Amino acid sequence: ILNVEQSPQSLHVQEGDSTNFTCSFPSSNFYALHWYRWETAKSPEALFVMTLNGDEKKKGRISATLNTKEGYSYLYIKGSQPEDSATYLCLRTYKYIFGTGTRLKVLA
Amino acid sequence: KAGVTQTPRYLIKTRGQQVTLSCSPISGHRSVSWYQQTPGQGLQFLFEYFSETQRNKGNFPGRFSGRQFSNSRSEMNVSTLELGDSALYLCASSLDSTYEQYFGPGTRLTVT
Repeated sequence: ILNVEQSPQSLHVQEGDSTNFTCSFPSSNFYALHWYRWETAKSPEALFVMTLNGDEKKKGRISATLNTKEGYSYLYIKGSQPEDSATYLCLRTYKYIFGTGTRLKVLA
Repeated sequence: KAGVTQTPRYLIKTRGQQVTLSCSPISGHRSVSWYQQTPGQGLQFLFEYFSETQRNKGNFPGRFSGRQFSNSRSEMNVSTLELGDSALYLCASSLDSTYEQYFGPGTRLTVT
């Protein structure tokens, strides 16, 4: 993987569903991986900064894991709510490359 | 604690002109990064300053430059503006690159 890739590009889930997305990145030259939540007409909001292989972080219903050896991070949302609707971005701080984002829409 | 502020919020310039955007970080934050967001390219990294030194630079032409002052406030300058420079410019501050970044509201630049 030469770039930072996120999948899926977009996702529609029902309220109450749990969901997850992936951020894939080159496994070499790893410094840190950031996750952001970006709502329309607002600025990106920091969710997590992950630095160590095997890191697991949690904030409320949202959690993330990191595998630096294979170059991926998962973001999980448990019991999705309409207010979780946003674009979720990951950022690899080596060369500061953003993923293309996963656009989540939670249907009430 | 005051958040990251950016001025101006909106700007309209003509091709060939130059523009300076300003970013005031959260107090105590020494790292300031600048990003450009365009519909076609998503969020792209311009540069990062830490303690008045440019520490990282993205793939933008030399028309894009920046600086950081001793109080950590940062400015970004774009010379010889082109239509393609129309974008939302975001700055973000943090203690360092392994800490959370806090974004400002952005400056919307339109080049006509």
